Amino acid sequence: NAGVMQNPRHLVRRRGQEARLRCSPMKGHSHVYWYRQLPEEGLKFMVYLQKENIIDESGMPKERFSAEFPKEGPSILRIQQVVRGDSAAYFCASSPKRLEGGYTFGSGTRLTVV
Amino acid sequence: DQQVKQNSPSLSVQEGRISILNCDYTNSMFDYFLWYKKYPAEGPTFLISISSIKDKNEDGRFTVFLNKSAKHLSLHIVPSQPGDSAVYFCAASGQGAQKLVFGQGTRLTINP
Repeated sequence: NAGVMQNPRHLVRRRGQEARLRCSPMKGHSHVYWYRQLPEEGLKFMVYLQKENIIDESGMPKERFSAEFPKEGPSILRIQQVVRGDSAAYFCASSPKRLEGGYTFGSGTRLTVV
Repeated sequence: DQQVKQNSPSLSVQEGRISILNCDYTNSMFDYFLWYKKYPAEGPTFLISISSIKDKNEDGRFTVFLNKSAKHLSLHIVPSQPGDSAVYFCAASGQGAQKLVFGQGTRLTINP
């Protein structure tokens, strides 16, 4: 029973390139969340998705960032035209339904923009 | 606007003693609180939670206390063990929202 799987673990992109981060939730979990952690800071909510639906994207930057959770396959967080300030650890979490008991987080993708 | 604050960036405790980590919040609509533990290069791991209808929740060596009037919660670890050395985050949610608001974290070091 694998946990939340994120790949890649490390991603290096040059300024202006696109970054695609993948997240496969735990089996049976239909809710996916993306969080970002900047250096020396706590995690900041970005977006909450269910299959084929974006439920809450209040934490997503207005430009360059998008997320999806298709009917088949992993959830994708996409960052277009990356800038140095996008360098951070991006964590995905999943839950079966409601929040009780907390989410299960993946190990994260560390994005470095050079 | 930091709605959840952990004012101690770090804490050092001797093995076997009690570790107390503190967290304050400003949003009175928060009604569910959680503590997560994080090792380097790993994702946060859920430790314990508490609903606003309670003032205490225990799970083994971990106890969370909630003081709603003071908008304060704390995590007690007793006895502290070397494996408890990690960064601890408190988090909160409210009004049925699925998203969490995290504090900045406290780095706990347990000394042998």
